[in-house]
Amino acid sequence: QKEVEQDPGPLSVPEGAIVSLNCTYSNSAFQYFMWYRQYSRKGPELLMYTYSSGNKEDGRFTAQVDKSSKYISLFIRDSQPSDSATYLCAMRDRDDKIIFGKGTRLHILP
Amino acid sequence: DAGVTQSPTHLIKTRGQQVTLRCSPKSGHDTVSWYQQALGQGPQFIFQYYEEEERQRGNFPDRFSGHQFPNYSSELNVNALLLGDSALYLCASSSLAGGREQYFGPGTRLTVT
Repeated sequence: QKEVEQDPGPLSVPEGAIVSLNCTYSNSAFQYFMWYRQYSRKGPELLMYTYSSGNKEDGRFTAQVDKSSKYISLFIRDSQPSDSATYLCAMRDRDDKIIFGKGTRLHILP
Repeated sequence: DAGVTQSPTHLIKTRGQQVTLRCSPKSGHDTVSWYQQALGQGPQFIFQYYEEEERQRGNFPDRFSGHQFPNYSSELNVNALLLGDSALYLCASSSLAGGREQYFGPGTRLTVT
């Protein structure tokens, strides 16, 4: 079993819809959870950074962490065509080692 | 405030050659991490440098080596290039005493022929 599992997609949704992206993990040593957005041929851009279980909101983005189920989610409200990108979940343990998921390709249809 | 910068943008090398990639961290950051991202995959951790020392290393062979300079900038060196080394090489910077969030540069796309 891989340490971090993420459905590669692609995921296509109409503009304005709520998008739900998810990752599961197996290593209970992970303490910090991140979501990055990566446009084609660009470096990843940090969107959300969370530590504890629960929700964290930033504009149209909400990150959710459930440590008991080893499951994290990113919700995007009022999705826009400019949100079309690959979304990477990432997890860090106390030694600073970061493991990324494979990324989910998201297409927002105008 | 400049973010993380990397050079060169693109590079084409022949199998067996050696390559050096460069990274300048975001202002105020003291830690540099290097990642390899193959097409369609997430970034894979190569190693991390802090105070000019390799602090952590992922599962990469010794052909991959690095260096950090007193101004916190860093180099990634790859010897004896293989076709499988073709990838996007990403540098990320962070502050060990700060929140440790990692911010990425635009990457260097390496093609080995």
